[in-house]
Amino acid sequence: DAKTTQPPSMDCAEGRAANLPCNHSTISGNEYVYWYRQIHSQGPQYIIHGLKNNETNEMASLIITEDRKSSTLILPHATLRDTAVYYCIVRVAPMYSGGGADGLTFGKGTHLIIQP
Amino acid sequence: NAGVTQTPKFRVLKTGQSMTLLCAQDMNHEYMYWYRQDPGMGLRLIHYSVGEGTTAKGEVPDGYNVSRLKKQNFLLGLESAAPSQTSVYFCASTEQGAGTEAFFGQGTRLTVV
Repeated sequence: DAKTTQPPSMDCAEGRAANLPCNHSTISGNEYVYWYRQIHSQGPQYIIHGLKNNETNEMASLIITEDRKSSTLILPHATLRDTAVYYCIVRVAPMYSGGGADGLTFGKGTHLIIQP
Repeated sequence: NAGVTQTPKFRVLKTGQSMTLLCAQDMNHEYMYWYRQDPGMGLRLIHYSVGEGTTAKGEVPDGYNVSRLKKQNFLLGLESAAPSQTSVYFCASTEQGAGTEAFFGQGTRLTVV
Protein backbone atom coordinates (compact mmCIF):
# COMPACT_ATOMS: atom_id res chain seq x y z
CA ASP A 1 0.00 0.00 0.00
CA ALA A 2 1.11 3.54 -0.72
CA LYS A 3 2.57 5.58 2.15
CA THR A 4 0.77 8.68 3.39
CA THR A 5 2.13 11.85 4.98
CA GLN A 6 0.04 14.01 7.32
CA PRO A 7 0.91 16.97 9.55
CA PRO A 8 1.17 15.82 13.17
CA SER A 9 -1.23 18.45 14.49
CA MET A 10 -3.58 21.25 13.44
CA ASP A 11 -5.81 23.78 15.15
CA CYS A 12 -9.15 25.08 13.93
CA ALA A 13 -11.67 27.50 15.41
CA GLU A 14 -15.07 26.14 16.29
CA GLY A 15 -17.62 26.79 13.55
CA ARG A 16 -14.99 27.14 10.84
CA ALA A 17 -14.12 24.59 8.20
CA ALA A 18 -11.31 22.24 9.11
CA ASN A 19 -9.13 21.24 6.16
CA LEU A 20 -6.87 18.27 6.79
CA PRO A 21 -4.25 17.53 4.11
CA CYS A 22 -2.77 14.19 3.18
CA ASN A 23 0.04 13.48 0.76
CA HIS A 24 0.08 10.11 -1.03
CA SER A 25 2.41 10.75 -3.95
CA THR A 26 3.07 7.04 -4.60
CA ILE A 27 -0.59 6.07 -4.87
CA SER A 28 -1.38 3.62 -7.67
CA GLY A 29 -4.40 3.49 -9.92
CA ASN A 30 -6.32 0.85 -7.98
CA GLU A 31 -5.85 2.40 -4.54
CA TYR A 32 -8.56 4.27 -2.68
CA VAL A 33 -8.08 7.03 -0.10
CA TYR A 34 -9.80 6.40 3.24
CA TRP A 35 -10.22 8.62 6.25
CA TYR A 36 -10.84 7.45 9.79
CA ARG A 37 -10.79 9.33 13.05
CA GLN A 38 -10.17 8.36 16.65
CA ILE A 39 -11.69 10.39 19.43
CA HIS A 40 -9.80 10.24 22.72
CA SER A 41 -8.65 6.59 22.57
CA GLN A 42 -12.03 5.26 21.44
CA GLY A 43 -12.13 2.84 18.54
CA PRO A 44 -11.46 4.44 15.14
CA GLN A 45 -14.49 5.63 13.22
CA TYR A 46 -14.86 5.56 9.44
CA ILE A 47 -15.44 8.96 7.85
CA ILE A 48 -15.27 8.73 4.07
CA HIS A 49 -13.38 7.22 1.16
CA GLY A 50 -12.85 7.93 -2.54
CA LEU A 51 -10.96 6.92 -5.66
CA LYS A 52 -10.61 9.99 -7.86
CA ASN A 53 -13.82 11.95 -7.71
CA ASN A 54 -14.66 14.27 -4.85
CA GLU A 55 -16.95 12.69 -2.30
CA THR A 56 -19.34 14.10 0.29
CA ASN A 57 -21.38 12.52 3.05
CA GLU A 58 -23.07 13.71 6.20
CA MET A 59 -19.79 13.91 8.07
CA ALA A 60 -17.30 15.40 5.64
CA SER A 61 -16.10 16.06 2.12
CA LEU A 62 -13.09 14.51 0.45
CA ILE A 63 -11.24 16.43 -2.24
CA ILE A 64 -8.72 14.43 -4.29
CA THR A 65 -6.36 16.26 -6.63
CA GLU A 66 -6.50 15.42 -10.31
CA ASP A 67 -3.14 13.61 -10.21
CA ARG A 68 -4.34 11.79 -7.05
CA LYS A 69 -1.09 12.52 -5.24
CA SER A 70 -2.80 14.38 -2.42
CA SER A 71 -6.19 14.85 -0.83
CA THR A 72 -7.96 17.05 1.70
CA LEU A 73 -10.59 16.07 4.21
CA ILE A 74 -12.98 18.92 4.95
CA LEU A 75 -15.15 19.14 8.04
CA PRO A 76 -17.42 22.01 7.00
CA HIS A 77 -18.44 23.36 10.41
CA ALA A 78 -16.09 22.01 13.04
CA THR A 79 -17.36 21.49 16.58
CA LEU A 80 -15.51 20.71 19.79
CA ARG A 81 -16.57 17.08 19.35
CA ASP A 82 -14.49 16.90 16.18
CA THR A 83 -11.29 17.10 18.22
CA ALA A 84 -9.62 13.78 17.38
CA VAL A 85 -6.75 12.10 15.57
CA TYR A 86 -7.52 11.81 11.86
CA TYR A 87 -5.95 9.04 9.82
CA CYS A 88 -5.51 9.11 6.05
CA ILE A 89 -5.09 5.57 4.68
CA VAL A 90 -4.45 4.41 1.14
CA ARG A 91 -5.70 0.94 0.36
CA VAL A 92 -6.28 -1.28 -2.64
CA ALA A 93 -9.97 -1.79 -3.34
CA PRO A 94 -11.32 -5.28 -2.64
CA MET A 95 -11.92 -6.21 -6.25
CA TYR A 96 -8.18 -5.85 -6.95
CA SER A 97 -6.75 -7.55 -3.89
CA GLY A 98 -9.12 -10.45 -3.48
CA GLY A 99 -11.03 -8.79 -0.69
CA GLY A 100 -8.40 -6.53 0.86
CA ALA A 101 -8.42 -8.89 3.80
CA ASP A 102 -5.17 -7.97 5.47
CA GLY A 103 -6.30 -4.96 7.40
CA LEU A 104 -5.75 -1.21 7.35
CA THR A 105 -2.32 0.36 7.86
CA PHE A 106 -2.49 3.24 10.31
CA GLY A 107 0.18 5.92 10.57
CA LYS A 108 0.30 8.48 13.37
CA GLY A 109 -2.38 10.70 11.81
CA THR A 110 -3.15 14.37 12.43
CA HIS A 111 -4.26 15.51 15.86
CA LEU A 112 -6.96 18.08 15.10
CA ILE A 113 -7.78 20.40 17.97
CA ILE A 114 -10.92 22.50 17.70
CA GLN A 115 -10.60 25.69 19.68
CA PRO A 116 -13.69 27.32 21.26
CA ASN B 1 -27.63 -3.86 16.79
CA ALA B 2 -24.58 -3.50 19.06
CA GLY B 3 -21.90 -3.53 16.34
CA VAL B 4 -18.54 -4.72 17.67
CA THR B 5 -18.30 -5.52 21.38
CA GLN B 6 -15.07 -6.22 23.23
CA THR B 7 -14.78 -7.97 26.58
CA PRO B 8 -13.29 -7.02 29.02
CA LYS B 9 -12.78 -3.25 28.82
CA PHE B 10 -9.94 -3.18 31.35
CA ARG B 11 -7.59 -5.82 32.76
CA VAL B 12 -4.42 -5.96 34.81
CA LEU B 13 -2.28 -9.08 34.50
CA LYS B 14 0.88 -10.22 36.19
CA THR B 15 3.81 -11.23 34.02
CA GLY B 16 3.40 -14.83 32.92
CA GLN B 17 -0.37 -14.97 33.36
CA SER B 18 -2.65 -15.85 30.49
CA MET B 19 -5.91 -14.36 29.32
CA THR B 20 -8.34 -14.24 26.42
CA LEU B 21 -9.91 -11.15 24.92
CA LEU B 22 -13.27 -11.65 23.27
CA CYS B 23 -14.58 -9.76 20.26
CA ALA B 24 -18.17 -10.23 19.14
CA GLN B 25 -19.89 -8.67 16.12
CA ASP B 26 -23.56 -8.89 15.16
CA MET B 27 -23.29 -7.61 11.57
CA ASN B 28 -22.57 -10.97 9.95
CA HIS B 29 -19.20 -9.72 8.73
CA GLU B 30 -16.77 -12.18 7.21
CA TYR B 31 -13.52 -10.41 8.14
CA MET B 32 -12.33 -9.66 11.65
CA TYR B 33 -9.14 -8.10 12.99
CA TRP B 34 -7.18 -7.56 16.18
CA TYR B 35 -5.02 -4.44 16.51
CA ARG B 36 -2.92 -3.03 19.30
CA GLN B 37 -2.23 0.64 19.92
CA ASP B 38 0.65 1.92 22.00
CA PRO B 39 0.83 5.52 23.33
CA GLY B 40 1.23 8.11 20.57
CA MET B 41 1.15 5.48 17.85
CA GLY B 42 -1.25 4.33 15.22
CA LEU B 43 -2.88 0.91 15.30
CA ARG B 44 -0.84 -2.16 14.36
CA LEU B 45 -2.40 -5.37 13.09
CA ILE B 46 -1.82 -8.46 15.23
CA HIS B 47 -3.92 -11.18 13.55
CA TYR B 48 -6.89 -11.30 11.28
CA SER B 49 -9.50 -13.74 9.98
CA VAL B 50 -11.24 -13.92 6.62
CA GLY B 51 -13.93 -16.30 7.79
CA GLU B 52 -15.01 -18.88 10.33
CA GLY B 53 -12.22 -21.33 11.05
CA THR B 54 -9.50 -19.20 9.40
CA THR B 55 -6.77 -17.01 10.92
CA ALA B 56 -3.68 -15.26 9.62
CA LYS B 57 -0.76 -13.28 11.02
CA GLY B 58 -0.56 -9.52 10.81
CA GLU B 59 2.31 -7.13 11.45
CA VAL B 60 2.98 -7.96 15.12
CA PRO B 61 1.74 -11.53 15.83
CA ASP B 62 4.41 -12.75 18.26
CA GLY B 63 3.13 -13.62 21.73
CA TYR B 64 -0.51 -13.84 20.61
CA ASN B 65 -2.81 -16.56 19.35
CA VAL B 66 -6.29 -16.27 17.89
CA SER B 67 -9.28 -18.43 17.10
CA ARG B 68 -12.42 -17.96 15.03
CA LEU B 69 -14.64 -20.94 15.89
CA LYS B 70 -17.83 -18.99 15.23
CA LYS B 71 -18.33 -16.34 12.58
CA GLN B 72 -19.44 -13.72 15.06
CA ASN B 73 -16.58 -14.19 17.54
CA PHE B 74 -12.84 -13.60 17.29
CA LEU B 75 -10.72 -14.45 20.33
CA LEU B 76 -7.26 -13.09 21.10
CA GLY B 77 -5.15 -15.06 23.55
CA LEU B 78 -2.04 -14.20 25.50
CA GLU B 79 -0.44 -17.42 26.75
CA SER B 80 2.25 -15.82 28.91
CA ALA B 81 1.79 -12.09 29.28
CA ALA B 82 4.80 -9.76 29.17
CA PRO B 83 5.07 -6.06 30.12
CA SER B 84 5.69 -5.30 26.41
CA GLN B 85 2.11 -6.39 25.76
CA THR B 86 0.74 -3.53 27.83
CA SER B 87 -1.40 -1.74 25.28
CA VAL B 88 -4.90 -0.91 24.14
CA TYR B 89 -6.37 -3.65 21.98
CA PHE B 90 -8.98 -2.98 19.33
CA CYS B 91 -11.08 -5.43 17.42
CA ALA B 92 -12.63 -4.60 14.06
CA SER B 93 -14.83 -6.23 11.46
CA THR B 94 -15.67 -5.54 7.84
CA GLU B 95 -18.05 -6.90 5.27
CA GLN B 96 -15.56 -7.36 2.43
CA GLY B 97 -12.20 -6.78 4.09
CA ALA B 98 -10.18 -3.61 4.50
CA GLY B 99 -11.44 -2.16 1.22
CA THR B 100 -14.72 -1.14 2.76
CA GLU B 101 -15.80 0.51 5.98
CA ALA B 102 -14.35 -1.12 9.08
CA PHE B 103 -16.26 -1.10 12.37
CA PHE B 104 -14.21 -0.98 15.55
CA GLY B 105 -14.89 -1.95 19.12
CA GLN B 106 -14.27 0.42 22.01
CA GLY B 107 -11.04 -1.22 23.03
CA THR B 108 -9.55 -3.25 25.87
CA ARG B 109 -6.96 -1.52 28.03
CA LEU B 110 -4.48 -4.17 29.21
CA THR B 111 -1.71 -3.57 31.71
CA VAL B 112 0.90 -6.25 32.41
CA VAL B 113 2.89 -5.71 35.61
